Amino acid sequence: NAGVTQTPKFQVLKTGQSMTLQCAQDMNHEYMSWYRQDPGMGLRLIHYSVGAGITDQGEVPNGYNVSRSTTEDFPLRLLSAAPSQTSVYFCASSYSARTGNTIYFGEGSWLTVV
Amino acid sequence: GENVEQHPSTLSVQEGDSAVIKCTYSDSASNYFPWYKQELGKGPQLIIDIRSNVGEKKDQRIAVTLNKTAKHFSLHITETQPEDSAVYFCAASIGNQFYFGTGTSLTVIP
Repeated sequence: NAGVTQTPKFQVLKTGQSMTLQCAQDMNHEYMSWYRQDPGMGLRLIHYSVGAGITDQGEVPNGYNVSRSTTEDFPLRLLSAAPSQTSVYFCASSYSARTGNTIYFGEGSWLTVV
Repeated sequence: GENVEQHPSTLSVQEGDSAVIKCTYSDSASNYFPWYKQELGKGPQLIIDIRSNVGEKKDQRIAVTLNKTAKHFSLHITETQPEDSAVYFCAASIGNQFYFGTGTSLTVIP
């Protein structure tokens, strides 16, 4: 079972470059989201989507864009990478956006911006 | 918005002992409280959850308690084993928004 699949696993970017982190889920989940994980700060929500064509901002959206053209895919775009965006990024999905639905995480993407 | 605090940040226990991790939350509207285990190089995985209409839930060696009045919830692991060593995160959910604690690094010493 694939679950939530993220690519790439590791990436090094130069300041100012752009890139896209890919996320796909095969569980027909309605809700998808992106988090970043930094030491001592837990997981912070960047953007989320409650269905195809619908996206919204989370706690730390600046510098990132998302789109949801299909139920399965939810890519995260870094427009102009900055060293402050060095982090581990997790994509997550849930059957529904309603309260109490378990969210499932991908394996993570380690991003370093130099 | 919601603020979740988690303690301790690190915890070492002898194999076979119990481990307790505590979290507090600020928004009384939070009504779903999952716990995640994250092993090195992996994504967080759900280990147990509790809803606001329940005070306690148990699954084998793992239990979670919730005190809505005091706005705190705790994870209890009994008879700890080396494979329990990991980082544990609590979270509080309002609707489709999840707010995570800063994590507890648990080390079980054989």
